[in-house]
Amino acid sequence: AQRVTQPEKLLSVFKGAPVELKCNYSYSGSPELFWYVQYSRQRLQLLLRHISRESIKGFTADLNKGETSFHLKKPFAQEEDSAMYYCALEFGDDKIIFGKGTRLHILP
Amino acid sequence: NAGVTQTPKFQVLKTGQSMTLQCAQDMNHEYMSWYRQDPGMGLRLIHYSVGAGITDQGEVPNGYNVSRSTTEDFPLRLLSAAPSQTSVYFCASSILQGNSPLHFGNGTRLTVT
Repeated sequence: AQRVTQPEKLLSVFKGAPVELKCNYSYSGSPELFWYVQYSRQRLQLLLRHISRESIKGFTADLNKGETSFHLKKPFAQEEDSAMYYCALEFGDDKIIFGKGTRLHILP
Repeated sequence: NAGVTQTPKFQVLKTGQSMTLQCAQDMNHEYMSWYRQDPGMGLRLIHYSVGAGITDQGEVPNGYNVSRSTTEDFPLRLLSAAPSQTSVYFCASSILQGNSPLHFGNGTRLTVT
């Protein structure tokens, strides 16, 4: 069955330190992967998607098909990065499923 | 441009009551979906629709009904509410093309006592 796994419920990182939010997926076909972010008192919104290969707010994510991973990275954490982050997988007949989410807490 | 609008924002129900959560979008998106968000469980897909007249089940469809009579609206019905349906419900929409981003509503916080 298709699955998205985010192993960390909470990740605390000091300001200026590197950030890596882990995401692994289970899908036998060609995956379409996304990261969504939910800042305090704001709507869930798209952060980035693997097909765009872009950097948004300093975040990047590379699809590793061999390891079935799509980890989110940022070299230097900022306080405004504190939020809830969700990895999502689109597959088959337009189903989009999410992982359980990781709360990122940036320490001053 | 309102985007995705969900009503109500908050609702309290007694066990066994029924209600409909409303979702409307003004972006002419073909794809619409409902998720529930629970602590430690993330977002789970309830039902989704790829166009008017077409709906399908997601990961946790039991206890919920949907219909899609227009492109704009995708209501979620709870026929007989249960405490296990206490959650925050999110509606989302997108264009029907792979890799298109979901646009989310603000959510409805439902409590079933």
